[in-house]
Amino acid sequence: DAGVTQSPTHLIKTRGQHVTLRCSPISGHKSVSWYQQVLGQGPQFIFQYYEKEERGRGNFPDRFSARQFPNYSSELNVNALLLGDSALYLCASSSWGATDTQYFGPGTRLTVL
Amino acid sequence: GENVEQHPSTLSVQEGDSAVIKCTYSDSASNYFPWYKQELGKGPQLIIDIRSNVGEKKDQRIAVTLNKTAKHFSLHITETQPEDSAVYFCAARPLKYNDYKLSFGAGTTVTVRA
Repeated sequence: DAGVTQSPTHLIKTRGQHVTLRCSPISGHKSVSWYQQVLGQGPQFIFQYYEKEERGRGNFPDRFSARQFPNYSSELNVNALLLGDSALYLCASSSWGATDTQYFGPGTRLTVL
Repeated sequence: GENVEQHPSTLSVQEGDSAVIKCTYSDSASNYFPWYKQELGKGPQLIIDIRSNVGEKKDQRIAVTLNKTAKHFSLHITETQPEDSAVYFCAARPLKYNDYKLSFGAGTTVTVRA
């Protein structure tokens, strides 16, 4: 079975631009979470979606938004990019519930110049 | 919110020796503690996890222990091999309805010397 897939793998943008990152979860998983991982740090939670609804949001500005589609894939959007948005953006797939395990994709490396 | 601290930040061991990484957490409601291994250019891979109703769990050369009273948990890797070299992250998650986000430690870079 395919694991979590993310696209693109790398992306270079300039300040002020916007970006859309995409994620496809493991087949059968209905929940997708997004994390930001700055170089040298652990992942930081951004959003969690289940059944197309936002179920959790981390401490990120409104420039960050996301959505989940009927096929459970997801998009993360970031507007008005700042240099500090440069990071590895990780998508995690899981079934829903307190005992579920989150499986991560390879990430999208975003560089903001 | 949950705060997870991880030590040490770097760890160098001789091949065949053991490696131990320790984490503490702040939220007494946390009940799920996974460990992830991240290799260069890849996403984190789950290597082992433990839930609050268990004190210890082992999977071949990897073991995790949990002390809920002290709010700390540890990863033990025995008989280390060069392929164990990577960054390891601990994480914690509370048992709260609609709050399933993972809080991660800052990571430990493990280097196994041949």
